[in-house]
Amino acid sequence: DGGITQSPKYLFRKEGQNVTLSCEQNLNHDAMYWYRQDPGQGLRLIYYSQIVNDFQKGDIAEGYSVSREKKESFPLTVTSAQKNPTAFYLCASYDGATNEKLFFGSGTQLSVL
Amino acid sequence: RKEVEQDPGPFNVPEGATVAFNCTYSNSASQSFFWYRQDCRKEPKLLMSVYSSGNEDGRFTAQLNRASQYISLLIRDSKLSDSATYLCAVIPPGSARQLTFGSGTQLTVLP
Repeated sequence: DGGITQSPKYLFRKEGQNVTLSCEQNLNHDAMYWYRQDPGQGLRLIYYSQIVNDFQKGDIAEGYSVSREKKESFPLTVTSAQKNPTAFYLCASYDGATNEKLFFGSGTQLSVL
Repeated sequence: RKEVEQDPGPFNVPEGATVAFNCTYSNSASQSFFWYRQDCRKEPKLLMSVYSSGNEDGRFTAQLNRASQYISLLIRDSKLSDSATYLCAVIPPGSARQLTFGSGTQLTVLP
């Protein structure tokens, strides 16, 4: 079955450490997104990519970095510059060709030790 | 002003009740509107798109009011399983199709 896979489901970060969240999709979607969700809040856009080897900052990109070397993969690195990284991170992809539906991964909960 | 605003609730309603949520958006040129359902610590799932003429899916009805720049979601005959957070989402113009989400409205249906 096609879908988006995020890993790990839970991730713990030490102070000053960079961590990378994985997002893989086999839906052949061009566009991919990373959102951050804090408790009781909606989703805020971190980065998005509309095509391989290209990505754009969202509303809260500071302290994060991404790459898009392959169509299927859009990893997110939470750097040590992100001082408040504890949140639920959601990856999504979009099929603009057939419908407007955004497909979400199951999310990664990142916590600081 | 936030681009998309929702009443956070929580809404606690008895089983069988009818409940309505509103969501306002700031950019009058926005074209696409959605309601998502999110269970605790899960990914949002698309509940329904919102069309200009309004649309219904079983017990759920979505409406768009362009003049007042809000969308609404009506849930009839609430079930316990409807307990979740409901997020509205808007695609503002020129935004490369990325969704802007409201902060969500929490609904608890009580037995």
